[in-house]
Amino acid sequence: DQQVKQNSPSLSVQEGRISILNCDYTNSMFDYFLWYKKYPAEGPTFLISISSIKDKNEDGRFTVFLNKSAKHLSLHIVPSQPGDSAVYFCAASSGGYQKVTFGTGTKLQVIP
Amino acid sequence: DSGVTQTPKHLITATGQRVTLRCSPRSGDLSVYWYQQSLDQGLQFLIQYYNGEERAKGNILERFSAQQFPDLHSELNLSSLELGDSALYFCASSVESSGWGQFFGPGTRLTVL
Repeated sequence: DQQVKQNSPSLSVQEGRISILNCDYTNSMFDYFLWYKKYPAEGPTFLISISSIKDKNEDGRFTVFLNKSAKHLSLHIVPSQPGDSAVYFCAASSGGYQKVTFGTGTKLQVIP
Repeated sequence: DSGVTQTPKHLITATGQRVTLRCSPRSGDLSVYWYQQSLDQGLQFLIQYYNGEERAKGNILERFSAQQFPDLHSELNLSSLELGDSALYFCASSVESSGWGQFFGPGTRLTVL
């Protein structure tokens, strides 16, 4: 039962353009959402999070949008840079410190 | 560098054996999480400890066990190893003030032959 889904396994974007990574969830108890970036042979790196009381959170080039009615969140990267090329995981949890459920990841390639 | 350390980096062993993976969380972090990432799979949550106590359990096999010690480091014990246990095992730590974003270690790559 995949409660957090990233339906696009890969995405290619030109440098300087916007990258939009999508994530859907099924568990309505999730109230905290996170995005991680992972380079090969390294552990995931926390990028940005959002709680269910908000619909948008911004940190530099990264913005996360949450649509609770659609059970959908997205990560926007503007402008995209070649160094952003990595696998991006979305994750969700209920109650903060409870177990975090990860999606299967989307591999982003930013083309110079 | 996330501040989370994991040892060993690589581990090669045979089926039926037992191994121990070690994790040291970031200074001040009370929560430790263990994850398994198999080939082409997402991160599968195994277990979480908070200040020495088990807090949440995921898809952890009965052959696997973990503990968190008073100095907050954690160990994941994998026994009766099978070929399918070959994977990357990540440890992560967090503290409430970070917004519960977890900081991951570099992982231990386990190969079972």
